[in-house]
Amino acid sequence: DIQMTQSPSSLSASVGDRVTITCRASQSISTYLNWYQQKPGKAPKLLIYAASTLQSGVPSRFSGSGSGTDFTLTISCLQPEDFATYYCQQSDRAPLTFGGGTKVEIK
Amino acid sequence: EVQLVESGGGLVQPGGSLRLSCAASGFTFSSYWMSWVRQAPGKGLEWVANIKEDGSKQYYVDPVKGRFTISRDNAKNSLFLQMNSLRAEDTAVYFCARDKSVGPTKLDCWGQGTLVTVSS
Repeated sequence: DIQMTQSPSSLSASVGDRVTITCRASQSISTYLNWYQQKPGKAPKLLIYAASTLQSGVPSRFSGSGSGTDFTLTISCLQPEDFATYYCQQSDRAPLTFGGGTKVEIK
Repeated sequence: EVQLVESGGGLVQPGGSLRLSCAASGFTFSSYWMSWVRQAPGKGLEWVANIKEDGSKQYYVDPVKGRFTISRDNAKNSLFLQMNSLRAEDTAVYFCARDKSVGPTKLDCWGQGTLVTVSS
């Protein structure tokens, strides 16, 4: 199985900050990488698929990059509604594994 | 509007069985793979299984192989997860999610989830 490792597991940031979350795959997955946002008590929401393609309706302050084993989710200017937990997921092969999550908290 | 509504969760004893359902609306259900994803209390997301548009292929995560069965009824726009030999570690909120139509998986629409509690 492909293991997905996210870092950091949590971070504190202020509104307006630039935030970067990284995700590393245990083997190359090309660009088969998705990012999700989850708020407490809610279902996850797809933000980015195929490593860098913004899902329809997602604000442009979210961006993704990377290929192979190393990927990045960037929030260019953190907004109050962005405080949440973020997960990466590889879609290269079953089982479709998720990273452990990164909780973005208010500083 | 695309909508997914799960049902069937509840309290079950270890070794018991439960059948989850997911009612889909607002899209052509038979054109999409579908997935189940679970989240144990206070933990991260774990993909459980998915099924091809016509039901001809299914994939599972190792801990549920041989115990869980994913299926679908395209005539009724419904997805199912039959869970047998349940264990305490299966306790989680179970989400159904719309999977791919073409290309690689992207879970672009999710239900609200249904809670399964395995306890004596």
